[in-house]
Amino acid sequence: EADIYQTPRYLVIGTGKKITLECSQTMGHDKMYWYQQDPGMELHLIHYSYGVNSTEKGDLSSESTVSRIRTEHFPLTLESARPSHTSQYLCASSEDRETNYGYTFGSGTRLTVV
Amino acid sequence: QKEVEQDPGPLSVPEGAIVSLNCTYSNSAFQYFMWYRQYSRKGPELLMYTYSSGNKEDGRFTAQVDKSSKYISLFIRDSQPSDSATYLCAMSAGAGKSTFGDGTTLTVKP
Repeated sequence: EADIYQTPRYLVIGTGKKITLECSQTMGHDKMYWYQQDPGMELHLIHYSYGVNSTEKGDLSSESTVSRIRTEHFPLTLESARPSHTSQYLCASSEDRETNYGYTFGSGTRLTVV
Repeated sequence: QKEVEQDPGPLSVPEGAIVSLNCTYSNSAFQYFMWYRQYSRKGPELLMYTYSSGNKEDGRFTAQVDKSSKYISLFIRDSQPSDSATYLCAMSAGAGKSTFGDGTTLTVKP
């Protein structure tokens, strides 16, 4: 079944640690996105990619980086985690058909930095 | 000012009620309009997708787009407790980035 997978689902980590949040999709979508979601449910775009070796920063200033070496894989890395990074991180992908520009989202990674 | 403004809620209705969720937008380039439903501790799931003005119906859900007023709505008929979730509107000019509303949390009471 085509889907998008995020791991881990929950992560508690100490300040200063380096972490990578994984996102993989099996749908062959070229476009992928990372969003940060506040407790009030607002979504903030932090990174996006329109294909292999293509990455862009989103609207929210972030201390994270991403890579897109394979179509199906779009990991997000925090070089030095801080308590302000505590949030839910959502990965999404979309296809290019005009009949459906909507996103498929993963279940999210809930990150707590202590 | 945000490009997309969504009625903030929260909204609480009795089971069986008709629910109206609304968003306004300012960017005339938006052509594609989406509604997502998000249950607690889950990612959003695409509920309705429409192109340009008009209505689209899917079971108990109807999405309505009025481009002249830059206004979109999602109607839920015969609301059920299982409809309790946060609903996010989103819109885009084409392939690529979507702009999301802040979400409206709906509770349907039995």
